[in-house]
Amino acid sequence: DIQMTQSPSSLSASVGDRVTITCRASQSISSSLNWYQQKPGKAPKLLIYAASTLQSGVPSRFSGSGSGTDFTLTISSLQPEDSATYYCQQSYSIPTFGQGTKVEIK
Amino acid sequence: QVQLVQSGAEVKKPGASVKVSCKASGYTFTSYDINWVRQATGQGLEWMGWMNPNSGNTGYAQKFQGRVTMTRNTSISTAYMELSSLRSEDTAVYYCARAAAAGSFFDYWGQGTLVTVSS
Repeated sequence: DIQMTQSPSSLSASVGDRVTITCRASQSISSSLNWYQQKPGKAPKLLIYAASTLQSGVPSRFSGSGSGTDFTLTISSLQPEDSATYYCQQSYSIPTFGQGTKVEIK
Repeated sequence: QVQLVQSGAEVKKPGASVKVSCKASGYTFTSYDINWVRQATGQGLEWMGWMNPNSGNTGYAQKFQGRVTMTRNTSISTAYMELSSLRSEDTAVYYCARAAAAGSFFDYWGQGTLVTVSS
């Protein structure tokens, strides 16, 4: 199975900050990388698919980039409602998820 | 609007089986795969397998082979996931999620079903 490694595991940032989360695959996955946001007690929500395509209804402050093995999720201006755990997931082969990045607001 | 509504929480004894349902609405049930993902308390997301509601074809993660069965009833737009030989490590929230195709992303999720395995 393809292993997905996210960094950092957690971060704390202020409202308005630019936040970047990294996801690395153990082998090339082309652009088959998706990002989800999960709030406590809720199901994950799709944010970005195919590495950089914003899911309908998701605020434009979220963006994704990368291909091959290295990917990033960027929140351009952090908002209070962005406090959540973010997961990457590869859909190149048998689906696997990263371990998650918890984003907290200072 | 697309909705996936799952059955309620379950408490099972070790060695028992559990069957979780996922009722789809707001789209053509047979046009999208249903995947199952679980999450132990405080842990990450773990993919269990997929089912094509049109054909009934399935694919399971190796970890669950022999213990998991995914089925559907197209007449009521409902998918099922049955997990047998339960152990304490199976205590988790189980989610169904829609995918446009095999090897795709999960665009809609059920609300989750907590399965607790305890003697």
